Amino acid sequence: EAAVTQSPRSKVAVTGGKVTLSCHQTNNHDYMYWYRQDTGHGLRLIHYSYVADSTEKGDIPDGYKASRPSQENFSLILELASLSQTAVYFCASSEGFAETLYFGSGTRLTVL
Amino acid sequence: QQNVQQSPESLIVPEGARTSLNCTFSDSASQYFWWYRQHSGKAPKALMSIFSNGEKEEGRFTIHLNKASLHFSLHIRDSQPSDSALYLCAVGSGSFNKLTFGAGTRLAVCP
Repeated sequence: EAAVTQSPRSKVAVTGGKVTLSCHQTNNHDYMYWYRQDTGHGLRLIHYSYVADSTEKGDIPDGYKASRPSQENFSLILELASLSQTAVYFCASSEGFAETLYFGSGTRLTVL
Repeated sequence: QQNVQQSPESLIVPEGARTSLNCTFSDSASQYFWWYRQHSGKAPKALMSIFSNGEKEEGRFTIHLNKASLHFSLHIRDSQPSDSALYLCAVGSGSFNKLTFGAGTRLAVCP
């Protein structure tokens, strides 16, 4: 089964600080995604990428940046963390059109 | 923008029951339809998908799709306590495999 690894598993950040969440996949998938999960909202797409060195905005990109330096690695960057960004963040990868998304175990981010 | 709604929000059923979960979507151009399952504290995991109108069965799980009604559903036969989880429906279109998820239905199966 596809392996997607996220780090850290949990993080506490201060308001206004910079946070970087990392994701690594070993399945040679072209597509990678960052979702956030909040109670009552399911999963919402923040950024995605279909090729290295290129990222695209998802449905809720404001306050987030993404970086895809290689096919295997995809990072989510919060330049100025805010209280409203407290959530669980999931990274996922897939082979392509209409294919299964394989999720990492998630990062629980708390902004104080 | 795609709007995906799930019902009910939560459900409690006895072991062995047939369970039905519903999902409606707003974009008639949607192309692929998924159910994901998320056990507490774990990552979402794909259950099954459907791409054309009709029905698809895999073991105890059946998915129905009616594009004209903008509706699809998941039916679980002989529900087990291990089926207790958050069920997320998802709808996608386009070549980038972007999925829009519903808020989820929390299912509890009691022994």
